[in-house]
Amino acid sequence: ETGVTQSPTHLIKTRGQQVTLRCSSQSGHNTVSWYQQALGQGPQFIFQYYREEENGRGNFPPRFSGLQFPNYSSELNVNALELDDSALYLCASSRNQEVNTGELFFGEGSRLTVL
Amino acid sequence: DQQVKQNSPSLSVQEGRISILNCDYTNSMFDYFLWYKKYPAEGPTFLISISSIKDKNEDGRFTVFLNKSAKHLSLHIVPSQPGDSAVYFCAASQNTDKLIFGTGTRLQVFP
Repeated sequence: ETGVTQSPTHLIKTRGQQVTLRCSSQSGHNTVSWYQQALGQGPQFIFQYYREEENGRGNFPPRFSGLQFPNYSSELNVNALELDDSALYLCASSRNQEVNTGELFFGEGSRLTVL
Repeated sequence: DQQVKQNSPSLSVQEGRISILNCDYTNSMFDYFLWYKKYPAEGPTFLISISSIKDKNEDGRFTVFLNKSAKHLSLHIVPSQPGDSAVYFCAASQNTDKLIFGTGTRLQVFP
């Protein structure tokens, strides 16, 4: 069973630039969620994708956008980067089911630094 | 407005003793509560969960207690082991896998 993989693991960007982060979900999982973890904070829900459609969004501006592909992998795009976007970005996969217990499988994260 | 709070940023416990990690929440509509453990340079991993219709769930050395009237849950680790040293996140959900996390408690288990 292949776990959740994310790329790149680390990257540095400057203010105003754009970034794309990638995630491959665990085999058998059809739902991908993205979380932002700032330093000293817990992960914050950005959005979730199910069947290639956005399925819920947290309190993040529209410059945070995403995609899910037919193989359930996903991308997180952030435009017009700001210094506060510096964080660990976590991808998590799960199986969409009738009773959601909240058990997610996380990747190791992509650490973004914005200078 | 933080719906899930972990007021202790760190906890230090001797090996073999009990570790108790606490979490408070404000939203009475949450129906699942979870604990995740995170080692440095790794993603969080699921540890244990509890449904809001229960008050206790046990899995080996780990037990989670839920007090709905106080909107409080706790994670007990007995006995604590050095490998348990990590950051522990409390999380809550409302029949969804979109989780709301606390800020975490760093547990250090020393010999």
